[in-house]
Amino acid sequence: GNSVTQMEGPVTLSEEAFLTINCTYTATGYPSLFWYVQYPGEGLQLLLKATKADDKGSNKGFEATYRKETTSFHLEKGSVQVSDSAVYFCALSDRGGGNQFYFGTGTSLTVIP
Amino acid sequence: DAGITQSPRHKVTETGTPVTLRCHQTENHRYMYWYRQDPGHGLRLIHYSYGVKDTDKGEVSDGYSVSRSKTEDFLLTLESATSSQTSVYFCAISEPRADTQYFGPGTRLTVL
Repeated sequence: GNSVTQMEGPVTLSEEAFLTINCTYTATGYPSLFWYVQYPGEGLQLLLKATKADDKGSNKGFEATYRKETTSFHLEKGSVQVSDSAVYFCALSDRGGGNQFYFGTGTSLTVIP
Repeated sequence: DAGITQSPRHKVTETGTPVTLRCHQTENHRYMYWYRQDPGHGLRLIHYSYGVKDTDKGEVSDGYSVSRSKTEDFLLTLESATSSQTSVYFCAISEPRADTQYFGPGTRLTVL
């Protein structure tokens, strides 16, 4: 079946630190992979995505590369800001009927000045 | 931002009462979804719809029913609310063969 595993939080970093949030997946077929971000009190917003192996998704300084050989899609940012404090969700889409998504449990990030 | 609204945004109710949550979209997307978000579980799919009057169950559908009589509206009903249904509920929309789901702002439901 399909599933996503992401690193447990919470994660606390100082401003300008390097961020990595690990995500691995199990899927049948060839899924698309996503990172969503949830700011306090809000819904999920798409941060970035990749639709095939070796693709790199990027947005707002965040990057993630679709690694089929390691079934991973780790989120990275070189220099985090206080405004990046949020919960980050890794997800996959099976592209099947219904376009179902499967989400990880979320990783809470707090960036301190 | 995708035009998705949810109502109510907050609700407190008592065990055993019926509750209906509404999701409304202005994007004319064919697929709509209801998720619940709980600590340690991420988002779990309750039900989804792939067209008017076409719905199917998700991972955690027990105790929930849905209806979709118009493209723009997707209703989630708890026939008899229980404390285990205290959660934040999110609606999402997408198009067939599209890669992205877009989310509403959520409804926080508390069942006492």
